[in-house]
Parts: sequence; C-alpha cells; structure tokens
Amino acid sequence: DQQVKQNSPSLSVQEGRISILNCDYTNSMFDYFLWYKKYPAEGPTFLISISSIKDKNEDGRFTVFLNKSAKHLSLHIVPSQPGDSAVYFCAASQGAGKSTFGDGTTLTVKP
Amino acid sequence: NAGVMQNPRHLVRRRGQEARLRCSPMKGHSHVYWYRQLPEEGLKFMVYLQKENIIDESGMPKERFSAEFPKEGPSILRIQQVVRGDSAAYFCASSPIGDGYEQYFGPGTRLTVT
Repeated sequence: DQQVKQNSPSLSVQEGRISILNCDYTNSMFDYFLWYKKYPAEGPTFLISISSIKDKNEDGRFTVFLNKSAKHLSLHIVPSQPGDSAVYFCAASQGAGKSTFGDGTTLTVKP
Repeated sequence: NAGVMQNPRHLVRRRGQEARLRCSPMKGHSHVYWYRQLPEEGLKFMVYLQKENIIDESGMPKERFSAEFPKEGPSILRIQQVVRGDSAAYFCASSPIGDGYEQYFGPGTRLTVT
C-alpha cells in the first residue's frame, strides 16, 4: 500500500518553460509535505516544504501547492533551467519522524 | 559546517558476510534516519534513532538488520548474512533537535552483494 504516489516517472520540458511535478497521497494524517531533489550518486537535497495548514508556499522559482481535499500536491518550477534536471521526490510526514517518499519523477530540462 | 557523512560510499560483500554502514550526522543533530533505495524505486524508511534510543523501527526487516546510535560515535546500520536482495543504496539523514521535518541526507552507501 503506497501512501505517497508520483504517477509520472519522467517529465521533459523546454528551458524557460514551466515544470509541474505531481504527487498524490492517501493518508489524511500527514501534516507536512516536502520535495527533495536528487542528482545521481548523491543523497536527496531538501528543496521546499508545505504545512497542511497552508495551500501554497513559494521560494524563488519553486512553488508548492497543496490541495487537501484532493490529497494532491504539486511542485511548479518556473522558469525551468537545465540545472534543474534531476529526480524529484515528494515526501510526507506525520509529526516529527520518518518521511514517506514517492518513487520519484525524473525531470529533464532541454536547452 | 560539514554535512551528513556516510562511509563507505561503496561496499561489496559476498553472500553470507556482514555489512556495516556508518553515518555521522550533521553537527548539532541528534536525530538519525536510515532509508533504503532499491533500483527504480523511491526511498523506503527503515529506522529512526536518537542517541542511544530506537524511536521507530517499523521499516526494518525482522531478521538480519539492526541499527544503533551510541552516545559517542556514528550511527551504524548492520546487515548480517547478506543476500543478493540486500543490494541497494542506503541513505542516512539527520535532523536537529525539535525539528524533525526537513531531513539532511548523506551521499549514501551503495551495497553490492555478489
């Protein structure tokens, strides 16, 4: 039973355009959601997060949207840059402690 | 400020041998998490530790796997009698006291069982 799902294994966008990565979850007890970015042969790096009491959080080119009724969150990157090419993981947690990760979406930004 | 350190980065073991993976958290962090990533999959939670305590081991296989985070020294993930299915990347993450949400990951240890 996968509680966090990223249904698109890969996404390809043109440089300068918007990248939208999606994530669905099933556990309504999750109260904090995070996005991590991972390059090959490296550990994940925290990117941006959102609390369940908010519906939007923005940090520079990155914005995360949370739709609690749909149990859906998305990460928007605009404008996309070639250096954004990486695997993006959505994660969710219930209080402090372990995070539950999706399987990741590989983003490729073409110059 | 050094990040989370893991060693070794690569570990090759024959079936039946023991594997020991080490993790030194970021300075000031007392919470350590271990995750495993199998090929083509996401990170799966294994265990959450604080100094000298296992807080949550719900993701640990029941046999052959153990973890510790002693008062002094790094956290250790120990796999006894390794099998081919244990081949994976093992990531350690840490977080500071009072803030368990954002986790800071190490570069991982890639275990290959031959």
